[in-house]
Amino acid sequence: KAGVTQTPRYLIKTRGQQVTLSCSPISGHRSVSWYQQTPGQGLQFLFEYFSETQRNKGNFPGRFSGRQFSNSRSEMNVSTLELGDSALYLCASSLMAGGLYEQYFGPGTRLTVT
Amino acid sequence: SQKIEQNSEALNIQEGKTATLTCNYTNYSPAYLQWYRQDPGRGPVFLLLIRENEKEKRKERLKVTFDTTLKQSLFHITASQPADSATYLCALPGGSYIPTFGRGTSLIVHP
Repeated sequence: KAGVTQTPRYLIKTRGQQVTLSCSPISGHRSVSWYQQTPGQGLQFLFEYFSETQRNKGNFPGRFSGRQFSNSRSEMNVSTLELGDSALYLCASSLMAGGLYEQYFGPGTRLTVT
Repeated sequence: SQKIEQNSEALNIQEGKTATLTCNYTNYSPAYLQWYRQDPGRGPVFLLLIRENEKEKRKERLKVTFDTTLKQSLFHITASQPADSATYLCALPGGSYIPTFGRGTSLIVHP
């Protein structure tokens, strides 16, 4: 079974630009969560989508948004990029929503904002 | 909001010994808790989930305990090997709450 895939793997953007990251979950998984990982803050939850609906949201500004498509693929968008948005963005899929189910993480997208 | 604390200092042990990592949490009474392993430059990998009514859970050389009174989980790796060297993350589930991960403890197993 193919794992979680994320594209692109690396990205360099300029402050003020916007970026869209993509995540394809494991086949059959309906829940997709997004996380931001930085050395200073660790792994922080952004949001979770299940059946195209946002089920849970972390404490991030509205510049961070996401969506999920009918095939469970998900995209995350960050507008008006700031230097502090430089991080590893991880996508995780699970069979169902709610946290009881183990999450399978992708390799991440390394975003650098200059 | 819920918080997780893990030892920030790296744990150095000799091959063959048992490694014990600690996870303490506050402001929360989780029904279950998860442990993940993360290698540099890679996403976390799920290891074990333990429920509040399970005092202990084992998987091969791994053992996790869950003390809801102390609000603490212990993660043990017996007969440790250099390949076990990684960062181990403790996680509280989402559901009604925001999923929360600890900062992780780096384990270094010396041959």
